[in-house]
Amino acid sequence: NAGVTQTPKFQVLKTGQSMTLQCAQDMNHNSMYWYRQDPGMGLRLIYYSASEGTTDKGEVPNGYNVSRLNKREFSLRLESAAPSQTSVYFCASSAGRTSGANVLTFGAGSRLTVL
Amino acid sequence: GQQLNQSPQSMFIQEGEDVSMNCTSSSIFNTWLWYKQEPGEGPVLLIALYKAGELTSNGRLTAQFGITRKDSFLNISASIPSDVGIYFCAGQGGSEKLVFGKGTKLTVNP
Repeated sequence: NAGVTQTPKFQVLKTGQSMTLQCAQDMNHNSMYWYRQDPGMGLRLIYYSASEGTTDKGEVPNGYNVSRLNKREFSLRLESAAPSQTSVYFCASSAGRTSGANVLTFGAGSRLTVL
Repeated sequence: GQQLNQSPQSMFIQEGEDVSMNCTSSSIFNTWLWYKQEPGEGPVLLIALYKAGELTSNGRLTAQFGITRKDSFLNISASIPSDVGIYFCAGQGGSEKLVFGKGTKLTVNP
């Protein structure tokens, strides 16, 4: 059982470069999320998708775009990377509220450094 | 927006000691979750709590859903070195989105 798979695990970018973080889940979950984790800040929600075809902003969406490509895949794009976007990014998925509590399953993370 | 206050921020303990951490909020939550994150990995669910007053155990871990629905507690008994990591609480209120605490970093000295 793969669960939630993120790629790449590590990436170094120069300021102004663009890149896309990929995420796929094989649990038939309805909802998918992107978080960033910074020291002392915990997990902050960037964007989420409650179902295929919908996306919504989270707490820190500026500088990011997302695409819910299909039910399995949810990508996060940085159009013009900035040093402030250096962070560890986590994708997560859940069955959604229709099944009660919104228990998230996380991927292993993608460590991004912007120089 | 909703916020969770998680404490302590960090703990340094000796192997065999018991550990307590908690989360409090000014808002009411319907669900409390506790996650553990090991170095280089994503958070993994430890315990889920669904009713006020609920007390649930998972091995040496015990978590409680506060009666006021504004707090939750996690206890670890007889800590071992593999307990090291960051522990996060998360609460779910009226919306689908979870609110996460900032984490408690646990270090266990053998």
